[in-house]
Amino acid sequence: GESVGLHLPTLSVQEGDNSIINCAYSNSASDYFIWYKQESGKGPQFIIDIRSNMDKRQGQRVTVLLNKTVKHLSLQIAATQPGDSAVYFCAENLRGGADGLTFGKGTHLIIQP
Amino acid sequence: ETGVTQSPTHLIKTRGQQVTLRCSSQSGHNTVSWYQQALGQGPQFIFQYYREEENGRGNFPPRFSGLQFPNYSSELNVNALELDDSALYLCASSPSGGPYEQYFGPGTRLTVT
Repeated sequence: GESVGLHLPTLSVQEGDNSIINCAYSNSASDYFIWYKQESGKGPQFIIDIRSNMDKRQGQRVTVLLNKTVKHLSLQIAATQPGDSAVYFCAENLRGGADGLTFGKGTHLIIQP
Repeated sequence: ETGVTQSPTHLIKTRGQQVTLRCSSQSGHNTVSWYQQALGQGPQFIFQYYREEENGRGNFPPRFSGLQFPNYSSELNVNALELDDSALYLCASSPSGGPYEQYFGPGTRLTVT
């Protein structure tokens, strides 16, 4: 089965608020994680990545937090905008495994005006 | 900088037929990975090519095969198509072998009837 999953299939937030999308992974040997954004009819768009030797990484309006103790990953989006509406996937790579990414099922982020 | 491109965008095939999908990697990227995304699911890793060699494979049968060319473009071939092969096929390129920094193309929507 999949080792990466998301807590909520849908997350609704007000425009301008901060969004937090969570992801739980079960494989403690995973050493690399990525967040992707996928809009309808398009391929996944790279947002931010983090390696297992880090706890936090920041990008433009986004922050990824990695808690290896509880095998939890989160994506924080600051000042959510209508263009942030999409399905968000976390993905992991198992250290020493085939060099592919294992994706969860995704969280649909809906922005309320 | 040119992003990842895929062709064709849509394709309809009959069960038992064979199909070839094509991918051009992003400029400067030498690694191509292929994924299958069923409706409402996250992408599933098929295989990766690095320097024209298969560099890792997911849980897909041998009727899924691929090639990478000296210019780093790639093909995905699927023989003996089954109805369950209907999906969005995604190609991702990255600047080096391994799972890191994979950037996706728009995908090819394959329908098997």
